[in-house]
Amino acid sequence: DSGVTQTPKHLITATGQRVTLRCSPRSGDLSVYWYQQSLDQGLQFLIQYYNGEERAKGNILERFSAQQFPDLHSELNLSSLELGDSALYFCASSVGQGAGELFFGEGSRLTVL
Amino acid sequence: SQQGEEDPQALSIQEGENATMNCSYKTSINNLQWYRQNSGRGLVHLILIRSNEREKHSGRLRVTLDTSKKSSSLLITASRAADTASYFCATAPNAGGTSYGKLTFGQGTILTVHP
Repeated sequence: DSGVTQTPKHLITATGQRVTLRCSPRSGDLSVYWYQQSLDQGLQFLIQYYNGEERAKGNILERFSAQQFPDLHSELNLSSLELGDSALYFCASSVGQGAGELFFGEGSRLTVL
Repeated sequence: SQQGEEDPQALSIQEGENATMNCSYKTSINNLQWYRQNSGRGLVHLILIRSNEREKHSGRLRVTLDTSKKSSSLLITASRAADTASYFCATAPNAGGTSYGKLTFGQGTILTVHP
């Protein structure tokens, strides 16, 4: 158990809809990262937050947004969903804001029909 | 785009044999990490090697890093069926600024260890 909690574990929705994925980092970790894993793209870095502020950004689509709240949990919002958004979405956390060891959650599997 | 490229894409061995996976990357790095992923599960950190280190050990794991060739290898000795998983290398950028914690993962090597 990494200590990182992600909900929901599975989500099935329709194209055009909006979903929110939630992540609680390990106790004491200030950084939260979001990754997308799909068969064709592999593991893609989406975004990093550190203590509530955006720190690094990857190829995150404009339809996607994220935030980190004062209690350090984070949410990833995916809107106007397309079939190609079907993937495993991972949250990870770390103590600092540099690229050290990451602790991953078990992921949220999103299926867009 | 992927920074790290693993080789081979898949590896099948017998229990007790050693497994070697390679990773190549393109840009200057601060550190390189290896992660393991069991099917459909979260990634688990295995080992981190910094750019000024050449070799590191952790239990049955041995990692080497050659920054001149921009490559790394992960050796798992005396493999077990429980080692069956996907293994990913991940690189941390050397540049600061907006890169911060951006780890870039390779496509992974699928390791199957037969009992």
